[in-house]
Amino acid sequence: AAGVIQSPRHLIKEKRETATLKCYPIPRHDTVYWYQQGPGQDPQFLISFYEKMQSDKGSIPDRFSAQQFSDYHSELNMSSLELGDSALYFCASSLGRGTSGKETQYFGPGTRLLVL
Amino acid sequence: AQKITQTQPGMFVQEKEAVTLDCTYDTSDQSYGLFWYKQPSSGEMIFLIYQGSYDEQNATEGRYSLNFQKARKSANLVISASQLGDSAMYFCAMRENNAGNMLTFGGGTRLMVKP
Repeated sequence: AAGVIQSPRHLIKEKRETATLKCYPIPRHDTVYWYQQGPGQDPQFLISFYEKMQSDKGSIPDRFSAQQFSDYHSELNMSSLELGDSALYFCASSLGRGTSGKETQYFGPGTRLLVL
Repeated sequence: AQKITQTQPGMFVQEKEAVTLDCTYDTSDQSYGLFWYKQPSSGEMIFLIYQGSYDEQNATEGRYSLNFQKARKSANLVISASQLGDSAMYFCAMRENNAGNMLTFGGGTRLMVKP
């Protein structure tokens, strides 16, 4: 079965540079979520989109922005990168935005970002 | 206050034995979902099992089952007949249905299966 695709899988950037992470949800899934997992930490919710509109917002820094496009793929744009942004960034997708409570979020393999 | 607490940072289990990973949660919502995910050393996050707050039966998926005790606010994962490939980090997560659709994760339990 098709899974969530994330690109790139690994990314190395310098401080103050920008980065763009891409996410392609499972076909027919209409909701996309972004999570950040620091080294040795649990994943933290950043932001989600349902039907191309922002749905919920978590602890996403103002330097980050994200959007969902007409084909449902999503991009996370990160500017003025800091050392502390080094983390594993997950995208997840679900069918439905969770109003029934049963919509399972399926995670992609993650993008490992290292800021030097 | 922590919404999801996993009190076992690390656990060992003998191959072929069963193991229980603990998870307690804190919410005032009546409607919520509890999820378990497995994260191998390669890093991906793999969905294992789901339990809804209104589900009367404990969830089961193959070798995984959930011991859901609503009054105690616990949702422990039971893995039967452990395999070497079960060695990984396991995260318990909750979605509070009246608080958006994000998952809140616990700190995780690292399970190591001994041959």
